[in-house]
Amino acid sequence: KQEVTQIPAALSVPEGENLVLNCSFTDSAIYNLQWFRQDPGKGLTSLLLIQSSQREQTSGRLNASLDKSSGRSTLYIAASQPGDSATYLCAVPLGGSTLGRLYFGRGTQLTVWP
Amino acid sequence: DTGVSQNPRHKITKRGQNVTFRCDPISEHNRLYWYRQTLGQGPEFLTYFQNEAQLEKSRLLSDRFSAERPKGSFSTLEIQRTEQGDSAMYLCASSLDSGQGRTEAFFGQGTRLTVV
Repeated sequence: KQEVTQIPAALSVPEGENLVLNCSFTDSAIYNLQWFRQDPGKGLTSLLLIQSSQREQTSGRLNASLDKSSGRSTLYIAASQPGDSATYLCAVPLGGSTLGRLYFGRGTQLTVWP
Repeated sequence: DTGVSQNPRHKITKRGQNVTFRCDPISEHNRLYWYRQTLGQGPEFLTYFQNEAQLEKSRLLSDRFSAERPKGSFSTLEIQRTEQGDSAMYLCASSLDSGQGRTEAFFGQGTRLTVV
């Protein structure tokens, strides 16, 4: 079984700050890790997918890193904006498996105020 | 193709009634997943299909739940004899398995079920 923990559970910051969201997982033999964003009452939007052979992945102001050996990933958000307010979820498959099941953390609820 | 589509977006039903949700995945995707999410929690896996074959089911999927993907395209999730504990957001996702390991999963907007 895979257990995923996200820290912090909630974060409230003023606009413009650089942020780091943390994700840890217990079974490190994963093929990839995915970060999602979820707005209240909505589905999940994929932000970044990191393959196990990569150490990081970037998309605009977002940068995600993956350290498989320590079972950790971080999502870095540069120059945060109020529109970044949402819950951020990380998800991993079971180690050694290419099957479909993803294991999710509870998410980090981010509020960016103007 | 505009992504994964789920219908209805909201469903309110009385306890004991049956409900059915539909998911239309991204057209070329061969894998389709169902998850359930309650308030303050991350999504929990229910089941997934590769084409029309249901390959894995979670123990969360009690005998009141059934999922189908008859032609390897859209999928339905039916809940029989609904209970208040079934109230949740039901999420569908799809991905393309190219044989090189699991690729990116894309989610729909979900169906919010409220059992009264």
